[in-house]
Amino acid sequence: GQSLEQPSEVTAVEGAIVQINCTYQTSGFYGLSWYQQHDGGAPTFLSYNALDGLEETGRFSSFLSRSDSYGYLLLQELQMKDSASYFCAVRNRDDKIIFGKGTRLHILP
Amino acid sequence: NAGVTQTPKFQVLKTGQSMTLQCAQDMNHEYMSWYRQDPGMGLRLIHYSVGAGITDQGEVPNGYNVSRSTTEDFPLRLLSAAPSQTSVYFCASTKMGNYGYTFGSGTRLTVV
Repeated sequence: GQSLEQPSEVTAVEGAIVQINCTYQTSGFYGLSWYQQHDGGAPTFLSYNALDGLEETGRFSSFLSRSDSYGYLLLQELQMKDSASYFCAVRNRDDKIIFGKGTRLHILP
Repeated sequence: NAGVTQTPKFQVLKTGQSMTLQCAQDMNHEYMSWYRQDPGMGLRLIHYSVGAGITDQGEVPNGYNVSRSTTEDFPLRLLSAAPSQTSVYFCASTKMGNYGYTFGSGTRLTVV
């Protein structure tokens, strides 16, 4: 089977840094991706990691360790508009893209 | 470019009725998929397609059919609606080898 585990909720303060973790178990692995979804909206793509290491895109960074089946999304200089749900997703050898259940990020002023 | 277009945005069905959710993309994406989103359950894959004429089942395919006669269109059919199919449905697409989805705006379906 396959599964992705991520915390259901995370709370952080405006201006701070927060890390959202994702561990996965899948049949074959072709990369870990991250999405953001605001209430009432559609998910939007943030980042993708196929190889080990850190990928940086502005205030957002994503990390992957294939040997540990683990990745995280790092959000820096948090802004109130970053309050949203964040999903990790993996693509397996059957070309299925499977999502985790999502992490709700609460930001305090 | 319109991206991924889903219709309708809202729909109420009676138990036992059938309907088709439409999805079209104008980005020449080979890969298209349907997800349903329920509170606390994340996005669950219903069906997906890696190209015209090819479809496959996802995690929760029961009660749904799909077809992919063209690259652009990927309709989702509910055969006999049940209250358990009340959900928000998202269509998404991407190029093969590119792992960043573009999502449609969603269809909020209620089955009474």
